[in-house]
Amino acid sequence: GAGVSQSPSNKVTEKGKDVELRCDPISGHTALYWYRQSLGQGLEFLIYFQGNSAPDKSGLPSDRFSAERTGGSVSTLTIQRTQQEDSAVYLCASSLAGGASGGNIQYFGAGTRLSVL
Amino acid sequence: AQTVTQSQPEMSVQEAETVTLSCTYDTSESDYYLFWYKQPPSRQMILVIRQEAYKQQNATENRFSVNFQKAAKSFSLKISDSQLGDAAMYFCAYRNRNRDDKIIFGKGTRLHILP
Repeated sequence: GAGVSQSPSNKVTEKGKDVELRCDPISGHTALYWYRQSLGQGLEFLIYFQGNSAPDKSGLPSDRFSAERTGGSVSTLTIQRTQQEDSAVYLCASSLAGGASGGNIQYFGAGTRLSVL
Repeated sequence: AQTVTQSQPEMSVQEAETVTLSCTYDTSESDYYLFWYKQPPSRQMILVIRQEAYKQQNATENRFSVNFQKAAKSFSLKISDSQLGDAAMYFCAYRNRNRDDKIIFGKGTRLHILP
């Protein structure tokens, strides 16, 4: 597609329920990132996928958070047993691979606003 | 660990005037990128300008320019001839150059444009 697509745009859920957030990166981009933006805060890194390499999960705040990327394209971020502090905007970004040579710009989607009641 | 600090939570500028947003960062790396991203109410992060640390020349993009002071670890954004469409959150960000990596963001500065 023309840009990074995220769905749903908004999600309201009850405390304790599981949610799945979807990210469809730009075609051809092998790197995919998830960030969390809490109210009034900057972006907090969650997880990073690069090609077929093992993902960098160092930013995941707890074991209730997980993500997968199927076929090197679409990614799903899953939050189990949601808590009120999980309420935030979840942003996805993608970029071309290339390391130092490309200065790879990360292109962002519009995010999913998650509200946990 | 790298950090990015934006000390101005909010700023206002009169339309057509010039405004400068401040950013400082901390890193032990010598080769990296610095960015300014704009986030309008639509939530989508838009890259405004990018600076490569090994380049001494300050990056410019139309009305947007930076003042990159590597020794001081300072990276300010100047917006000239401010327009109503410039109203947004602005985030300063850092990324290591030598590998694909996460971006480290500051907490942002909300810019208001006064008509």
